Amino acid sequence: GESVGLHLPTLSVQEGDNSIINCAYSNSASDYFIWYKQESGKGPQFIIDIRSNMDKRQGQRVTVLLNKTVKHLSLQIAATQPGDSAVYFCAENAYSGNTPLVFGKGTRLSVIA
Amino acid sequence: NAGVTQTPKFRILKIGQSMTLQCTQDMNHNYMYWYRQDPGMGLKLIYYSVGAGITDKGEVPNGYNVSRSTTEDFPLRLELAAPSQTSVYFCATLADTQYFGPGTRLTVL
Repeated sequence: GESVGLHLPTLSVQEGDNSIINCAYSNSASDYFIWYKQESGKGPQFIIDIRSNMDKRQGQRVTVLLNKTVKHLSLQIAATQPGDSAVYFCAENAYSGNTPLVFGKGTRLSVIA
Repeated sequence: NAGVTQTPKFRILKIGQSMTLQCTQDMNHNYMYWYRQDPGMGLKLIYYSVGAGITDKGEVPNGYNVSRSTTEDFPLRLELAAPSQTSVYFCATLADTQYFGPGTRLTVL
């Protein structure tokens, strides 16, 4: 069945360095991908999304890269700050709106001051 | 806009008790979802709805029921609470992206 997973369950990064969080997906029909940030005790918060007709999308300090050939997604955070410490989830679906998002397990990012 | 609101924030149930987790949205979104998140894990879809009067099972529907009589409300019902239902429950809507509520932390003892 479809699955979305993450390569690294935990990631520790020095403040000011760049962070890279990876995600693999198995459903080749998926064409919409989202990264969420979840802080302790809160619900997931949208960070950035990308459609399958794109390889790269940039936001404020964040970049998402999509490699459809190997079904791989990554989130890059530039100049990581203590406020970036959270669990990050990738999610995917076929963007029909009728197919619910499938979430990965998450990667915990810890920023070392 | 309040967005997606959930009540209660916390609840402790005894085995066999029942309760309803409330979810309300004021964004007029058709799509609504219920997820559960176990400690250290991702979100698993329980039920979802593509509009008033329509509901569908997700990945883990057993032990739960939902209804969608209005666009705004999407309550989740637990009829016979079990310890395996101890989790954090998130309600969400979908428009341009998915919007999540703050969650309900449920403990079944």
